[in-house]
Amino acid sequence: QQPVQSPQAVILREGEDAVINCSSSKALYSVHWYRQKHGEAPVFLMILLKGGEQKGHEKISASFNEKKQQSSLYLTASQLSYSGTYFCGTDDGQNFVFGPGTRLSVLP
Amino acid sequence: DAGVTQSPTHLIKTRGQQVTLRCSPKSGHDTVSWYQQALGQGPQFIFQYYEEEERQRGNFPDRFSGHQFPNYSSELNVNALLLGDSALYLCASSYDRGYEQYFGPGTRLTVT
Repeated sequence: QQPVQSPQAVILREGEDAVINCSSSKALYSVHWYRQKHGEAPVFLMILLKGGEQKGHEKISASFNEKKQQSSLYLTASQLSYSGTYFCGTDDGQNFVFGPGTRLSVLP
Repeated sequence: DAGVTQSPTHLIKTRGQQVTLRCSPKSGHDTVSWYQQALGQGPQFIFQYYEEEERQRGNFPDRFSGHQFPNYSSELNVNALLLGDSALYLCASSYDRGYEQYFGPGTRLTVT
């Protein structure tokens, strides 16, 4: 079952912050976050594992609430290069499913 | 260090034909996953291969099959192509489950 992402789209000015949320109805083994720019392949940002382990890029932060099966991606002091579509991917041990994506636009 | 590579880059096939797409994982990775991405949508998980066996499978018909070789490279086969199979097919590799996936550039398949 596909996770739910919110918001669907967000527009920021350079330097502003944003939060993207992802929730699942299933108990999760891990949550992944990826960014995809138009015409390019998705790029790994962060993985959050059940039990609290996290791996990702230094400038990216995220959280995973295991009780609620919810994850949030925090983008601070946004840069023009942050523009793209952000996908969360959830692994419940049986299937890996990407969310519908959140389109982020950062304007100068 | 070469990343994930896929071939071919583009492919045009006729409805009813069969197609084989290829993927070489990033060095050191033993797990390969395949995704289908339609225009404007997120990637849809097809299946994952680990140790030459299909470990996980998404909601795709049996027309979609795959294989992983001893060198961890992988193939995606699609039989009896339908117009709806037109999409970008992405391959991603990782070091087992629970690790980040690195995506290849994709193969753009057009079915006419």
